[in-house]
Amino acid sequence: SAVISQKPSRDICQRGTSLTIQCQVDSQVTMMFWYRQQPGQSLTLIATANQGSEATYESGFVIDKFPISRPNLTFSTLTVSNMSPEDSSIYLCSVEDYQDGYTFGSGTRLTVV
Amino acid sequence: ELKVEQNPLFLSMQEGKNYTIYCNYSTTSDRLYWYRQDPGKSLESLFVLLSNGAVKQEGRLMASLDTKARLSTLHITAAVHDLSATYFCAVVAAGSYQLTFGKGTKLSVIP
Repeated sequence: SAVISQKPSRDICQRGTSLTIQCQVDSQVTMMFWYRQQPGQSLTLIATANQGSEATYESGFVIDKFPISRPNLTFSTLTVSNMSPEDSSIYLCSVEDYQDGYTFGSGTRLTVV
Repeated sequence: ELKVEQNPLFLSMQEGKNYTIYCNYSTTSDRLYWYRQDPGKSLESLFVLLSNGAVKQEGRLMASLDTKARLSTLHITAAVHDLSATYFCAVVAAGSYQLTFGKGTKLSVIP
């Protein structure tokens, strides 16, 4: 199954700043997914990133707040912009591996102070 | 819109006991997945269920899928402390590629 390297694993950021999270996959994949997991909650899909096109955002998430890049078939970044304490969450990237289901990165634990 | 409901949300069980976690979903689905999450960790894939009547077992865990009832179960046999974690079911609606997660079941196995 695909292996995803996600970084940073955690960060503490000042409000008003931005953080870029990177995910590198060890194989080429068509779609990459970005999720947010707020404390004690389930996972919510932020957006789907296809190589060569703009990401598709879910209701409640906008490009200005969560810009995504997908420069090739093995890499994607998610930026959390103009952060506030409400953005404190775990952010995870994921790819589809049909036989093994969806594989997740190790997650980025973000704390905004 | 696909909705996924898990119950119970919290489960405290004694070692050696059996229990079942339920996952209901609202629309036709191609695929259903079970994941485990330990505190502060990412998600670990447990089971991939791709067809009606699918049953998979790994150790003390067994998952099944009934697509007609839109129901999956995760059965725990003779629980041990190491099974303490949060378990999520996640569903992909037919014709889609997006995972929709249940709220998760936080399992605590006590001696």
